[in-house]
Amino acid sequence: DTGVSQNPRHKITKRGQNVTFRCDPISEHNRLYWYRQTLGQGPEFLTYFQNEAQLEKSRLLSDRFSAERPKGSFSTLEIQRTEQGDSAMYLCASSFLVGNTIYFGEGSWLTVV
Amino acid sequence: AQTVTQSQPEMSVQEAETVTLSCTYDTSESNYYLFWYKQPPSRQMILVIRQEAYKQQNATENRFSVNFQKAAKSFSLKISDSQLGDTAMYFCAFMNYGGSQGNLIFGKGTKLSVKP
Repeated sequence: DTGVSQNPRHKITKRGQNVTFRCDPISEHNRLYWYRQTLGQGPEFLTYFQNEAQLEKSRLLSDRFSAERPKGSFSTLEIQRTEQGDSAMYLCASSFLVGNTIYFGEGSWLTVV
Repeated sequence: AQTVTQSQPEMSVQEAETVTLSCTYDTSESNYYLFWYKQPPSRQMILVIRQEAYKQQNATENRFSVNFQKAAKSFSLKISDSQLGDTAMYFCAFMNYGGSQGNLIFGKGTKLSVKP
């Protein structure tokens, strides 16, 4: 059983450009989460899906951020008009049911220059 | 709103010794889960141990054990026989059983260094 997979692992982009990250959860996990982590901080919740439904979004998720999970499988996180403050690691995680262990991917590093 | 506080930004321990990492949390809920995650320098977050709030017995996983004090809202992690591979950031995390149903709230972490 493969773990949570994230691509790309690293992305450097110019301010104002759009970027998209992809997450492939563990097979059959119906919950998928996105977190953001900056250096020296713990991860901060962004949003989560149960199957294809986006059930909760954090206030951190501005209107420049959009996440999708078509067909309840992989998910994408798009950031439009990137700003330097968006520089962070974006973590994807998945779990089977509420309360079950949440498994994390290795993260996607974003650097906005 | 729930919060998680880790008061020790950094700790160090000699190999083979025991170390305890502290965590306190604040919630008005009675049903919830608590976790310790480890994030080595390679950055992937790995679950170390979990505790269901309704269980009075403290969870253990090999060299890792917790001291869960529900009334005090305290959830410390004890690492016995520390190994060099235990060097990592350790995050305490809270998950509400109901309500928002499932997002983890993390503390800021404790950086643990195991010295040879």
